Amino acid sequence: EPEVTQTPSHQVTQMGQEVILRCVPISNHLYFYWYRQILGQKVEFLVSFYNNEISEKSEIFDDQFSVERPDGSNFTLKIRSTKLEDSAMYFCASRRIGQGGEQYFGPGTRLTVT
Amino acid sequence: EDQVTQSPEALRLQEGESSSLNCSYTVSGLRGLFWYRQDPGKGPEFLFTLYSAGEEKEKERLKATLTKKESFLHITAPKPEDSATYLCAVQATGGANSKLTFGKGITLSVRP
Repeated sequence: EPEVTQTPSHQVTQMGQEVILRCVPISNHLYFYWYRQILGQKVEFLVSFYNNEISEKSEIFDDQFSVERPDGSNFTLKIRSTKLEDSAMYFCASRRIGQGGEQYFGPGTRLTVT
Repeated sequence: EDQVTQSPEALRLQEGESSSLNCSYTVSGLRGLFWYRQDPGKGPEFLFTLYSAGEEKEKERLKATLTKKESFLHITAPKPEDSATYLCAVQATGGANSKLTFGKGITLSVRP
């Protein structure tokens, strides 16, 4: 069964450093998402991406964040200058074409900013 | 603003003791309501999608139902392996790429 994969599983970085989180969505999916979950809190939407452009972004997704689909398989989230409050689990999700429809999530990357 | 409230926050059941988890929602227009299971340190695992009031979906010991204001996840004769956090999320109408808005989740523990 196809799965969303994410690397790395755990990333530790110092405040102010840049990080790139990587995701490989399910191969025939065309809509891609990033969510985050701070420890003990709810899963929060960051950004959605379709047809090589951002469709929607939340207030959390400020100028420090960017997304890219550099090739036909990878989908990345970059944080330019990490802050302590960026420490969280980051989940990538994807879904097939068409309105609505379930999103399939990856296992997540735990980002720890020190 | 779309809102999802789940109750109770935590639920402890004896193996075989059936119960229901509640998800109340407020959304401008509902495209879909989703139930996910999340194990500690893992990503949400898709369980069900419900699109309209009166709809029901079943999978093994789980059954999800939907009304115009809430959804229930009924667990019949649970087993210890059903222990997890169950997340409810809504997707609003408007735009093809609508985000999911999640509740805080309900942590279920099933004792053998």
